[in-house]
Amino acid sequence: GAVVSQHPSWVICKSGTSVKIECRSLDFQATTMFWYRQFPKQSLMLMATSNEGSKATYEQGVEKDKFLINHASLTLSTLTVTSAHPEDSSFYICSARDGREMNEQFFGPGTRLTVL
Amino acid sequence: GQNIDQPTEMTATEGAIVQINCTYQTSGFNGLFWYQQHAGEAPTFLSYNVLDGLEEKGRFSSFLSRSKGYSYLLLKELQMKDSASYLCAVGDSNYQLIWGAGTKLIIKP
Repeated sequence: GAVVSQHPSWVICKSGTSVKIECRSLDFQATTMFWYRQFPKQSLMLMATSNEGSKATYEQGVEKDKFLINHASLTLSTLTVTSAHPEDSSFYICSARDGREMNEQFFGPGTRLTVL
Repeated sequence: GQNIDQPTEMTATEGAIVQINCTYQTSGFNGLFWYQQHAGEAPTFLSYNVLDGLEEKGRFSSFLSRSKGYSYLLLKELQMKDSASYLCAVGDSNYQLIWGAGTKLIIKP
């Protein structure tokens, strides 16, 4: 099956710093990538949808200036959490969709962010 | 609005069978997915139904009734490793996944 990687797997940072998370589709071209956030004991929450070469579409309540998404190529999308605060601590998961298979999303392993 | 409902938590015994139900109301329908998620890990794909009926894959089966907006995931011969959250998700008219809150399944010896 299709493989999606994320880097880093976990990161600890100080409040006020920025953190970049990479999401890569390893064996397919991802025309669309999704970024989710999951707080403990809660379900996935879609943050934004990004299509290669265009601006990301953010869900209501998600600050686009705080969560910068770049989908510069068909195999790479990045999420940058700017000026991170402790309340941004969460499990961030990306998924990618193959343009030929519109129905299925392939998930990365997730990145656990802890902001001190 | 769009809505996915599934039980919050279920408990079952090792070796038994459990059925996790999911009902949905979405704008458009492009299939229903079941994912398994262990604590601290990303979801992993279990099944996909787009037509009515039962799809069987080993110990796991998934059923769909589009007219009733209803699906279930059936797990047989339960093992301790099946303890996890099971997420129901529906692809809407834009092929975007609408997620249920997940069902935490606890397996007891």
